[in-house]
Amino acid sequence: QQQVKQSPQSLIVQKGGISIINCAYENTAFDYFPWYQQFPGKGPALLIAIRPDVSEKKEGRFTISFNKSAKQFSLHIMDSQPGDSATYFCAAAANSGAGSYQLTFGKGTKLSVIP
Amino acid sequence: DAGVTQSPTHLIKTRGQHVTLRCSPISGHKSVSWYQQVLGQGPQFIFQYYEKEERGRGNFPDRFSARQFPNYSSELNVNALLLGDSALYLCASSFSAAYGYTFGSGTRLTVV
Repeated sequence: QQQVKQSPQSLIVQKGGISIINCAYENTAFDYFPWYQQFPGKGPALLIAIRPDVSEKKEGRFTISFNKSAKQFSLHIMDSQPGDSATYFCAAAANSGAGSYQLTFGKGTKLSVIP
Repeated sequence: DAGVTQSPTHLIKTRGQHVTLRCSPISGHKSVSWYQQVLGQGPQFIFQYYEKEERGRGNFPDRFSARQFPNYSSELNVNALLLGDSALYLCASSFSAAYGYTFGSGTRLTVV
């Protein structure tokens, strides 16, 4: 059972454009929503994260929008650059008991930014 | 500061063999989690340890086990390897058992 659904699977954006990746979740116990960036041969790196009491969070060119009632959140990358070309994962976490916080990941979006 | 260190970076094993993967967390981090990432998929949670105690286990068979040592480093063990165990195994560490995990670059395991 996939608890976090991510779309699109792949995305091609021109340099300077806006990249938008969407995620939807089912478990209302999730209370932490991070986005990770992964380059080939590397582990995921935390980009930005949000909690459900906030509807938007911006860090540099990266913005998370969060819609609690729709159980959806999205990543916007403004002024996309070729160096942003990577795979992006949304994730969600909840306290599953005994102080355990497991990240549940989406399937990823491969972003290609073309010059 | 050194990040999360995993060893080895790559290894090839034969079906039925046993493998041990190692992880050194960021200095000061007391929580370590393990994830399996199959090619083309997002990471899947295997285990979490905090202060040397298992705090969570994902939906993996008993062939998978782990432990955390007094210095907070960790080992992931997989017995009776199957072809389907071929994946990137990621270790992540955090100061607490809560959020803000930093991932290592992983160990690429190939089972032949």
